[in-house]
Parts: sequence; C-alpha cells; structure tokens
Amino acid sequence: DAGVTQSPTHLIKTRGQQVTLRCSPKSGHDTVSWYQQALGQGPQFIFQYYEEEERQRGNFPDRFSGHQFPNYSSELNVNALLLGDSALYLCASSLGLAGANYNEQFFGPGTRLTVL
Amino acid sequence: RKEVEQDPGPFNVPEGATVAFNCTYSNSASQSFFWYRQDCRKEPKLLMSVYSSGNEDGRFTAQLNRASQYISLLIRDSKLSDSATYLCVVNNYGGSQGNLIFGKGTKLSVKP
Repeated sequence: DAGVTQSPTHLIKTRGQQVTLRCSPKSGHDTVSWYQQALGQGPQFIFQYYEEEERQRGNFPDRFSGHQFPNYSSELNVNALLLGDSALYLCASSLGLAGANYNEQFFGPGTRLTVL
Repeated sequence: RKEVEQDPGPFNVPEGATVAFNCTYSNSASQSFFWYRQDCRKEPKLLMSVYSSGNEDGRFTAQLNRASQYISLLIRDSKLSDSATYLCVVNNYGGSQGNLIFGKGTKLSVKP
C-alpha cells in the first residue's frame, strides 16, 4: 500500500520564478492538505482540497494556489517566488476532511524548495 | 499569543528517564488534539491522538485539560530511538486558520 508520495524531492529556483509541486495521496484517501515548514518551525497550513475544490485556506497570499485532480492527486503552485518561500513543503492526505472527528492525516516526505 | 505553544526545549535526558512535554492552545473551540513526532529532515508522523479522558500507548501517556486548554505528553523509560522533535497539534476545523495548527515543536535528545 503506497503512502503519500511527493515530487520532486528537492528543487532550486530563483526569485520571481514559478514552481509546481506534486502530491499523490495514500491509497483510499480523497483529501489533500498542503503545509509549509520553515527551518526550526512547525508546519503551517496552506490549504486543503476535497472533491477538487479548495475547502479551507490558511494565511497565505494568492501567490499560493493549488489544484486537485479527479484521481485525488494534487498540485501546489507558487508564483513570483520570494527568498522567504524557501521551506519544506509537505503534503498530507486523509479520508474526508482532515481534522474532523480525529481523522488522521498521513504526510508525504516533502519537497525541499530553495529560492536563491 | 500563538495558537499553539510548546516548551521551547531542547530536552536532553539519559536513557531510562521520564520526560514530560507541555502544550497550551488559545482557541477554546478547538475540537481534536494530537502529538506528532518528526525525525530530523523527515515528515511528521502521528504519535497519538489526545482524548478528553486521557490515553496511554505503551510508554506514552497523553492528557488533555480542556478547561485549562492544556495538553501534555509523558514518555516513560526513554529510549535512544525516542530522540526526535515532538509537535503538539490542535484542530481548529472551520476556523480562520483552518485545519491543523502545529506548535513549533520540542526537540528531545536521549543520551546513552
């Protein structure tokens, strides 16, 4: 049973560029959440996708956008990259909206983004 | 005030020690609570959900006090393999911050 997978594992971009990160949820899961984890910090919620719609969003600017496909996989897009966007981007999947009723979220290994 | 606050750490303890982590949360409407473990440069993994009645899993005991908005994790008989960062997580489902709110984490280092 494949867990949550993310690609790429590492990425180096320069300021102003755009990046797309990809996530495939754990088999049987239909909900995907994205988190940003800066060094020495806990993960910060970006947004959550369920039934191909953004259901919840954290305090992130519109430069951060996403998409969920019919097969439940998801993409995170970041435009106009800033140095401060350098972080580990984590994808987590769950069955149903995560957090409700103690639904467990399973995290992928993350994509480490470096913005120069 | 941060939504989820944890002991700053790091905690450096010998093998066999008992160590306790504390966490407070600011939103009284929070609905569910968790401890996650994160190894260096790895993804977070669920250690325990935390229920109002308190719960135990082997050497790990979690407690929740809703009135004080306080969560704790107790690790007994620490092992070298317990060395990791422990993240306190609160679900504010439907809240303005959405979804799971993570604390900064407390680093535990268990020494021989």
